[in-house]
Amino acid sequence: DAKTTQPTSMDCAEGRAANLPCNHSTISGNEYVYWYRQIHSQGPQYIIHGLKNNETNEMASLIITEDRKSSTLILPHATLRDTAVYYCIVRSFVGTNAGKSTFGDGTTLTVKP
Amino acid sequence: EAQVTQNPRYLITVTGKKLTVTCSQNMNHEYMSWYRQDPGLGLRQIYYSMNVEVTDKGDVPEGYKVSRKEKRNFPLILESPSPNQTSLYFCASSFKGPNEQYFGPGTRLTVT
Repeated sequence: DAKTTQPTSMDCAEGRAANLPCNHSTISGNEYVYWYRQIHSQGPQYIIHGLKNNETNEMASLIITEDRKSSTLILPHATLRDTAVYYCIVRSFVGTNAGKSTFGDGTTLTVKP
Repeated sequence: EAQVTQNPRYLITVTGKKLTVTCSQNMNHEYMSWYRQDPGLGLRQIYYSMNVEVTDKGDVPEGYKVSRKEKRNFPLILESPSPNQTSLYFCASSFKGPNEQYFGPGTRLTVT
């Protein structure tokens, strides 16, 4: 599985957009980019995922570069409740590693009033 | 309510005493997985199961066993727990293919 690189921490002002980058330069063609977040020590919560195209749902937007080597998670209007650790992972659903899921250390996002 | 449940939520045990952490999901998911999380670190995958009777090793399988006899259950077995298995454990499940994983609330295990 491709590995991901994320900044250790980021701050964002409440009400502003939070842009969280992720580098996955070794991603292969069949690997998806997923984002999860974890608040304190709760179970991680799914946010969004994509393969090639940009994606948007009620929580966030995912922008994947054309070469797929990096992506950005956008929380359009961050609130204090968005303070969490955000994990970017890549997963394949075919081949011998179809079930493997590797989380990195994530980005700690702190939303400030 | 669709959910992944884990039991127990907290467990303190002694070295060498066999224990089982149960995981159950009510969403008819094919895929289930166990992770451990140590302080300040991300999740590391222990074992996963693509379907009933199919299990595979993740990144840190040493010292753990799993079984998948039924679709809804995926217990994690520590035959002889050691202090380095003190950790926060999460179970997760999903439909097969590129779908979201649903995580349980976690089991905090301390081995003395």
